Amino acid sequence: SQQGEEDPQALSIQEGENATMNCSYKTSINNLQWYRQNSGRGLVHLILIRSNEREKHSGRLRVTLDTSKKSSSLLITASRAADTASYFCATDVAGGTSYGKLTFGQGTILTVHP
Amino acid sequence: KAGVTQTPRYLIKTRGQQVTLSCSPISGHRSVSWYQQTPGQGLQFLFEYFSETQRNKGNFPGRFSGRQFSNSRSEMNVSTLELGDSALYLCASSPGQGPYEQYFGPGTRLTVT
Repeated sequence: SQQGEEDPQALSIQEGENATMNCSYKTSINNLQWYRQNSGRGLVHLILIRSNEREKHSGRLRVTLDTSKKSSSLLITASRAADTASYFCATDVAGGTSYGKLTFGQGTILTVHP
Repeated sequence: KAGVTQTPRYLIKTRGQQVTLSCSPISGHRSVSWYQQTPGQGLQFLFEYFSETQRNKGNFPGRFSGRQFSNSRSEMNVSTLELGDSALYLCASSPGQGPYEQYFGPGTRLTVT
C-alpha cells in the first residue's frame, strides 16, 4: 500500500516556469525524501528532509515539510526541459523495524516544454 | 565511486520458471533494498539486507526471496513466475546507518510471458 499521495498526477509547464508538486502521507515519519525517475530508469535522489526540519534547499529545488499536516511540497524553480521526469516522494516511517524501507507515493509526471 | 549496478538489465521468462537478479551496491554500502515497480501498484518494497541479514520484508509472497553475500552484493530470486511478476525491479544501496538516502541502480526489466 502507498503511504503517500502526490498531487498533481501530471504537470505540464513551459521552460522557465516554476513547478510545484505536493505529497501527503499518513503516518509519523523519520524523514521524507524526493526522487526523480527518467523514463522507467533508476531513481535519482534529490533531497532528504528530516522530520524536525521545515524547509530545505538544494540548487533550484526547495522542499517544505509540515508534519502537523503530514504534507510536503517540492518546488523546482526556473524549470528546464531536462527536468522532464517523474517525481516521487518517499517516507521513512517512524517506529518499528523500518530498516531500508522507503514507502513511495504514486508520483507526479512533470513535462517541461522548450 | 561506481554506482549501483544491476544485472541483467532485461529478462524475458515464461510462466512457471524462476529467475535470479543481481545487485552490486556502492563500495562501502552495507544495506541493499529491493523494490518492485509496476504501473498499477507503483513502487513497492520487497526486502532489505544488511550485513547478510534480512532486516525487513515487504508484503510479497514467499516466491520472492533474497540474500546478501559477505561483499554486500545481493541477489533476489522469484520462483514459479506469474504474469503479474512482470515489472521493473530496482535495488538500492545505502551505508545502512539511518536516516539515509538510497542510491538506486538502473533496474532489471522482467517480462513474464
